[in-house]
Amino acid sequence: DTGVSQNPRHKITKRGQNVTFRCDPISEHNRLYWYRQTLGQGPEFLTYFQNEAQLEKSRLLSDRFSAERPKGSFSTLEIQRTEQGDSAMYLCASSSIRGFNSPLHFGNGTRLTVT
Amino acid sequence: TQLLEQSPQFLSIQEGENLTVYCNSSSVFSSLQWYRQEPGEGPVLLVTVVTGGEVKKLKRLTFQFGDARKDSSLHITAAQPGDTGLYLCAGAQNSGGSNYKLTFGKGTLLTVNP
Repeated sequence: DTGVSQNPRHKITKRGQNVTFRCDPISEHNRLYWYRQTLGQGPEFLTYFQNEAQLEKSRLLSDRFSAERPKGSFSTLEIQRTEQGDSAMYLCASSSIRGFNSPLHFGNGTRLTVT
Repeated sequence: TQLLEQSPQFLSIQEGENLTVYCNSSSVFSSLQWYRQEPGEGPVLLVTVVTGGEVKKLKRLTFQFGDARKDSSLHITAAQPGDTGLYLCAGAQNSGGSNYKLTFGKGTLLTVNP
């Protein structure tokens, strides 16, 4: 178990630029989640995948955000035309399909700063 | 409106003291999970409670799920500096079919001073 890996760890970008983050989940996990966390807050749900299918998207995920999970393996989260309000820690997590008590295994996140 | 309310938001205590943090909601959850997060890292699962009234112990940590499955508490005995971190509770609710979604509280930031 090598854990969930996220890249890059830090990203500084100028407002209006596009950014893409990558998440490599634990290999045998079918479900992959993206959360966003700002200072003083708990993680906020953005979206999740079961294998390659994106099953749910939060209303927080505006049209500028898109996530993909080709082939049900790694996932990417892209933010287009970044805004200062997008500055946050973006967390990826994976889990196996075991229902309501399946724990999430988180990566260490990508911290985005939009200047 | 926050689905899960955690209290206190901040807690600073001396090594050796006991403490309790709370996670409350007006909603019923299928399960409730507690995570601990350190700066610059992702949350790490501590425990999952499933049954109303359930009590689980993890060394000096005691977790309880309310009888109505709407609230939970975490009690730490003889806190140590290594317990410092952000404690998050997360409730699982059915989001359709066999799918469940975890919703997190804002967390309790605990500092244990030596």
